[in-house]
Amino acid sequence: TQLLEQSPQFLSIQEGENLTVYCNSSSVFSSLQWYRQEPGEGPVLLVTVVTGGEVKKLKRLTFQFGDARKDSSLHITAAQTGDTGLYLCAGAGLDSNYQLIWGAGTKLIIKP
Amino acid sequence: NAGVTQTPKFQVLKTGQSMTLQCAQDMNHNSMYWYRQDPGMGLRLIYYSASEGTTDKGEVPNGYNVSRLNKREFSLRLESAAPSQTSVYFCASSVSPGTGGYQPQHFGDGTRLSIL
Repeated sequence: TQLLEQSPQFLSIQEGENLTVYCNSSSVFSSLQWYRQEPGEGPVLLVTVVTGGEVKKLKRLTFQFGDARKDSSLHITAAQTGDTGLYLCAGAGLDSNYQLIWGAGTKLIIKP
Repeated sequence: NAGVTQTPKFQVLKTGQSMTLQCAQDMNHNSMYWYRQDPGMGLRLIYYSASEGTTDKGEVPNGYNVSRLNKREFSLRLESAAPSQTSVYFCASSVSPGTGGYQPQHFGDGTRLSIL
């Protein structure tokens, strides 16, 4: 069974600080996605990484896919209150394009 | 832009009752999915429909049935609700799984279901 472990589960920091969220597995994924979910809403895609070692930037958010395509990280620079939310990673297995493997999420709170 | 619409938004049932959760998408997507989200467990796939006319079991299908009514609509039915099915249910859609990468999934806002 493929698993994706996210850490930390919960993070509360002050506005302006930097943070990193991790998504780790012992399995190889063909691609990995990061979503953000706000209370009362469904997840919204932030980015998809496909190539081992790939780095993608979305304004103050930097996403990296591990060289072996088993792990990924999300780094936020100078966090803002608008970054508050639940961050979820989801991996596409090598043998299935339909069933994403989801991490349990990192609940991020940015305090003003 | 409606995207993915789920109804109802909230529902309380008694053990043993049945109900159908409705989902419709207006993005002309081929694939549709039903998930449940429980605290600390992430999203778990219940059923999916790769294309109109097909449905397949996901990770946690027991106690549920689905119908892909047409390309737009994908419903989830609980025949005899149990307290263990208390959860938030999300419907999602995607163009279709793509080669060389994975198509993004677009989610509705969820149905919060409580089984007493």
